[in-house]
Amino acid sequence: GAGVSQSPSNKVTEKGKDVELRCDPISGHTALYWYRQSLGQGLEFLIYFQGNSAPDKSGLPSDRFSAERTGGSVSTLTIQRTQQEDSAVYLCASSLEAGAPYEQYFGPGTRLTVT
Amino acid sequence: GQQLNQSPQSMFIQEGEDVSMNCTSSSIFNTWLWYKQDPGEGPVLLIALYKAGELTSNGRLTAQFGITRKDSFLNISASIPSDVGIYFCAGQTQGAQKLVFGQGTRLTINP
Repeated sequence: GAGVSQSPSNKVTEKGKDVELRCDPISGHTALYWYRQSLGQGLEFLIYFQGNSAPDKSGLPSDRFSAERTGGSVSTLTIQRTQQEDSAVYLCASSLEAGAPYEQYFGPGTRLTVT
Repeated sequence: GQQLNQSPQSMFIQEGEDVSMNCTSSSIFNTWLWYKQDPGEGPVLLIALYKAGELTSNGRLTAQFGITRKDSFLNISASIPSDVGIYFCAGQTQGAQKLVFGQGTRLTINP
């Protein structure tokens, strides 16, 4: 079946502008995660959604970052007033349910470049 | 915060050689996962480990969940060109949903 999809695949924006990144999880997966990967680094957790529960926002680096998940499916990560240090690949993952033993499956990512 | 120390950072090997990489943590994890990432792609799950001491194979790949629950290793036998990429370990603690990732091992295979 279809995997996790993300759009756009690449985004170039000017410093100070807002951006929205979209994630479509695997159908039937109830848990959705956002991670950030800076060049040459591992993945950094940002936020997690599970069903109708309040999201775990503990990884968001600042209040310029926010995310929504509508209807328990599609999620949007919004970065306001982008800064150059926001440049990274933003990866979305989904899992059948939260926690082990439900493995997380990743999308291809959105490469964000802030000029 | 929690950190995973993954080593080596990079490996340069000849085709056909065996590869070994590992991750260690100061914290106990309940789950260890190994992912491979190709350029421009998201990480792809290779092996998942759920019990201390567990040894799991997936083709030429073998991974083990350390008995102390603070480490894991991944072995690749008889490497082939398509094994090139970046390998990440990831751990998950009891009750936590997020994964903590290592910094990756970049594998390069010389023809």
